[in-house]
Amino acid sequence: AQSVAQPEDQVNVAEGNPLTVKCTYSVSGNPYLFWYVQYPNRGLQFLLKYITGDNLVKGSYGFEAEFNKSQTSFHLKKPSALVSDSALYFCAVRPTGGRRALTFGSGTRLQVQP
Amino acid sequence: DGGITQSPKYLFRKEGQNVTLSCEQNLNHDAMYWYRQDPGQGLRLIYYSQIVNDFQKGDIAEGYSVSREKKESFPLTVTSAQKNPTAFYLCASSTTGGVSGANVLTFGAGSRLTVL
Repeated sequence: AQSVAQPEDQVNVAEGNPLTVKCTYSVSGNPYLFWYVQYPNRGLQFLLKYITGDNLVKGSYGFEAEFNKSQTSFHLKKPSALVSDSALYFCAVRPTGGRRALTFGSGTRLQVQP
Repeated sequence: DGGITQSPKYLFRKEGQNVTLSCEQNLNHDAMYWYRQDPGQGLRLIYYSQIVNDFQKGDIAEGYSVSREKKESFPLTVTSAQKNPTAFYLCASSTTGGVSGANVLTFGAGSRLTVL
């Protein structure tokens, strides 16, 4: 069975500073990896995905993530945080074979201070 | 505009009652999903459907039921057998064809169920 770990419940960063939200995964075979963002009382919005190819993936709103197979990680990054980035972020994984549905992590709340 | 509509947004239920949450999409997506969200636990998969008239149990299917009679609709019934149903329920859909599109989920705005 697949699983996702987001080790930090909350990440605090000052506006303008770089941010990192951590994610590690466990899956049989090769993974498809995703990041989603959730604003209060709303559904999730897709940010970016890794399917194959280049380990550095660029997504919406200036976010990017790096796939590291040896460390089974897929950390979300942004060079310069905005107050409007404050939200709940979810990492998700799906094996290339097997169950065709995403398994999500527990979420990390990002708080960007002005 | 294309999207997913969940209703009702808020629902209150007495213990012992069944309730049905509606999920409708006009994105022409084949796959639909139901997730439950609890604080600190992220999203957990209840049921999913890759095609009309077929669906599979997810990780926490006990106490829930679904149907997929139409491509556009995937209602979730929370039965009285679900011991702790108070949660935020999210419906999503996706295409199933090709690697690049598969599993980029489009989510509805959610339904918050409270058991009194």
